[in-house]
Amino acid sequence: DAGVTQSPTHLIKTRGQQVTLRCSPKSGHDTVSWYQQALGQGPQFIFQYYEEEERQRGNFPDRFSGHQFPNYSSELNVNALLLGDSALYLCASSLLGSPLHFGNGTRLTVT
Amino acid sequence: AQRVTQPEKLLSVFKGAPVELKCNYSYSGSPELFWYVQYSRQRLQLLLRHISRESIKGFTADLNKGETSFHLKKPFAQEEDSAMYYCALSAGKSGGYQKVTFGTGTKLQVIP
Repeated sequence: DAGVTQSPTHLIKTRGQQVTLRCSPKSGHDTVSWYQQALGQGPQFIFQYYEEEERQRGNFPDRFSGHQFPNYSSELNVNALLLGDSALYLCASSLLGSPLHFGNGTRLTVT
Repeated sequence: AQRVTQPEKLLSVFKGAPVELKCNYSYSGSPELFWYVQYSRQRLQLLLRHISRESIKGFTADLNKGETSFHLKKPFAQEEDSAMYYCALSAGKSGGYQKVTFGTGTKLQVIP
């Protein structure tokens, strides 16, 4: 079992561009959550997907959107990138209500 | 609103000394508390959760609702305990949907 896998591992984008990050959950998991981790900070909750719908959302603007597919994989989309969006983006999967299993993250740099 | 506070960015202890990583939380309901750990060059992983009331790698944590704390303790630190530790609070909606809030983390450094 490969666990939670995220792609790409690193990404460099320019201000104003759009980005899509991808996540495959651990086998058997049906729920995907996304987190943003800035340098020196803890992970900040962006949103959680279950049954292809956003179920919970943190304090992030509408520029951050997501999707969950029937195979439980998920995408995080960020539009109109700002310098402040530079961070490590973590995907975590779980069975609904159970502890999180994290991927290694995607390092996004916005220049 | 839910909040998790870890007051120490860095905690250095000698091998064999006791360890206590502090965590305080703010939440009006009944939260579920966790400790996650990240070892060097590894992914963030669950260490323990308060409802399990178990000891993992010698670590324990007791939920104190009166003091709204969930401190992580180990009686004798080992070099392999050196890592980043995050306290986390899960506040769910009905149906089990979780919003997990993390603290800023404490780096534990065990000195040989």
